[in-house]
Amino acid sequence: DGGITQSPKYLFRKEGQNVTLSCEQNLNHDAMYWYRQDPGQGLRLIYYSQIVNDFQKGDIAEGYSVSREKKESFPLTVTSAQKNPTAFYLCASSMTDRAYPDTEAFFGQGTRLTVV
Amino acid sequence: AQKVTQAQTEISVVEKEDVTLDCVYETRDTTYYLFWYKQPPSGELVFLIRRNSFDEQNEISGRYSWNFQKSTSSFNFTITASQVVDSAVYFCALVDNYGQNFVFGPGTRLSVLP
Repeated sequence: DGGITQSPKYLFRKEGQNVTLSCEQNLNHDAMYWYRQDPGQGLRLIYYSQIVNDFQKGDIAEGYSVSREKKESFPLTVTSAQKNPTAFYLCASSMTDRAYPDTEAFFGQGTRLTVV
Repeated sequence: AQKVTQAQTEISVVEKEDVTLDCVYETRDTTYYLFWYKQPPSGELVFLIRRNSFDEQNEISGRYSWNFQKSTSSFNFTITASQVVDSAVYFCALVDNYGQNFVFGPGTRLSVLP
């Protein structure tokens, strides 16, 4: 079945450690996104990538890093520079072909990161 | 810059009541696309509907209906005869003509009480 897979579902990190969240999609989508959601809040864009080997900062990129070496994969690293990393992280993908610009974004099931 | 506003932070209704969730957007594009997503307690966002800026026809799907009014930049979502299973956070979103840069509203938390 086509879709987006995020792993792990729950992640615990000690203060000062880097941690990487996985996001894989088999939808052949060009664009991939990372969002952060805090309790009772909306979605805030961290990073997005339209094509392989290219990505752009979103609204809250500080303390995060990404890579896009393969079309299917868009891992997010939460670095020790991120002051308050405890949150729910959602990965999404969409098609960006101008012939199909109205395609919806598909979301993974999310990773809940807790700093202990 | 594009922006989506959902002025209702939380709404509570009793089962079987009708409820409307408001969405107002801002964009300079003449062609754009609007979406509604549902986020149940499990966390995953579930796609509900898309609408392009050239199609102002209202749509009904079962108990769900959507009212798109370009003149007021609104894309409101109505649930008729609400059910407890409708309890979730609902997000309105906007994307530009190139299918890039999804912009989400802050969400409206709907609680349907039995």
